[in-house]
Amino acid sequence: DGGITQSPKYLFRKEGQNVTLSCEQNLNHDAMYWYRQDPGQGLRLIYYSQIVNDFQKGDIAEGYSVSREKKESFPLTVTSAQKNPTAFYLCASSKGLYYEQYFGPGTRLTVT
Amino acid sequence: DQQVKQNSPSLSVQEGRISILNCDYTNSMFDYFLWYKKYPAEGPTFLISISSIKDKNEDGRFTVFLNKSAKHLSLHIVPSQPGDSAVYFCAARNTGNQFYFGTGTSLTVIP
Repeated sequence: DGGITQSPKYLFRKEGQNVTLSCEQNLNHDAMYWYRQDPGQGLRLIYYSQIVNDFQKGDIAEGYSVSREKKESFPLTVTSAQKNPTAFYLCASSKGLYYEQYFGPGTRLTVT
Repeated sequence: DQQVKQNSPSLSVQEGRISILNCDYTNSMFDYFLWYKKYPAEGPTFLISISSIKDKNEDGRFTVFLNKSAKHLSLHIVPSQPGDSAVYFCAARNTGNQFYFGTGTSLTVIP
């Protein structure tokens, strides 16, 4: 089955720790994205990658980092510099930046 | 600053009737609009889209209307079914290929 997987579904961390969220796709899509969703807000773009070894900051990149070493994988690291890391994180991919995006099931991160 | 707005956080409709979900946007440079559907504990799934050169696009029970002068987008679901109960997000793409999402409208279709 083609699709996007995110793991884990729920993640708990102590304040001050970095944490990495996994995103894998087997759709052969070139572009991948990370969004954050908070209550009462739309999805906000953190980072996106058009092709392997290339990525760009979105609207709220501060406190986050990404890598794109393989086409299938786009992990997101939430660093201790991110002031409000508790949120629902969604990964997406698309054929290219022009096309509609397909989303993974999301990871809910709670930092205490 | 929210460039894509869904002003109704929730909507309830009787099964068999029409559901109309609305979306307003502020950026006249948006050229492509989409609707996504999201069930609890799942990621959004693409539903239907429309290019800015059109004013209507239909796919089965789902029709999207675009009024560029009013900067308004709507999704019509006819007839509504209980399985349509979900959160619906509208999204818009700017000429730089970045997508902006609304805050979502939770639709409940009552059997």
